[in-house]
Amino acid sequence: DAGITQSPRYKITETGRQVTLMCHQTWSHSYMFWYRQDLGHGLRLIYYSAAADITDKGEVPDGYVVSRSKTENFPLTLESATRSQTSVYFCASSDRWGEATESFFGQGTRLTVV
Amino acid sequence: AQSVTQLDSQVPVFEEAPVELRCNYSSSVSVYLFWYVQYPNQGLQLLLKYLSGSTLVKGINGFEAEFNKSQTSFHLRKPSVHISDTAEYFCAVILSGGYNKLIFGAGTRLAVHP
Repeated sequence: DAGITQSPRYKITETGRQVTLMCHQTWSHSYMFWYRQDLGHGLRLIYYSAAADITDKGEVPDGYVVSRSKTENFPLTLESATRSQTSVYFCASSDRWGEATESFFGQGTRLTVV
Repeated sequence: AQSVTQLDSQVPVFEEAPVELRCNYSSSVSVYLFWYVQYPNQGLQLLLKYLSGSTLVKGINGFEAEFNKSQTSFHLRKPSVHISDTAEYFCAVILSGGYNKLIFGAGTRLAVHP
């Protein structure tokens, strides 16, 4: 299916465990982003990528790792999950051609750290 | 520092009444302005955006927004709301030259009552 998909949709993990959230897009968009959504904060940028093998930190990167070996995939890894990382995570992508183009969002992954 | 402020966390309104959701931003550089909508358990969807030109922007589902540079505002309006407009609305900016990274407000929950 065309679009941007995230997996899993729901995940419960224990404190200290490593967990990876997957994001896949079929448009060959250059830019990809990871945001977390928390009540009272809206969405905050964790990491972004301008192209394959090019990533950079956003507003709240601590405790997260990303990679982008292929244009279509942008996994987010929590190296040692903490309760403060309980959140809804959204992946997004956008085309680099033209400034301020629309971002397309996945359905989100609801992560609970117990 | 750049920021986006949504002045109301919740807006209750009756069906067929008009509504305005307020958004102010602060930035030392030029910005592009967006409104996104999030329906329950879904990702974000673009409602409208202002890049340049006419300060009145029309979007999907009958929404419109007006950019006011002197007041650094980008308020969202709809003349007559429906039950189906019940959702979370996010104002966001992209800084000029900002790699399409969105900076979000905290969100406004619009609740439309019959």
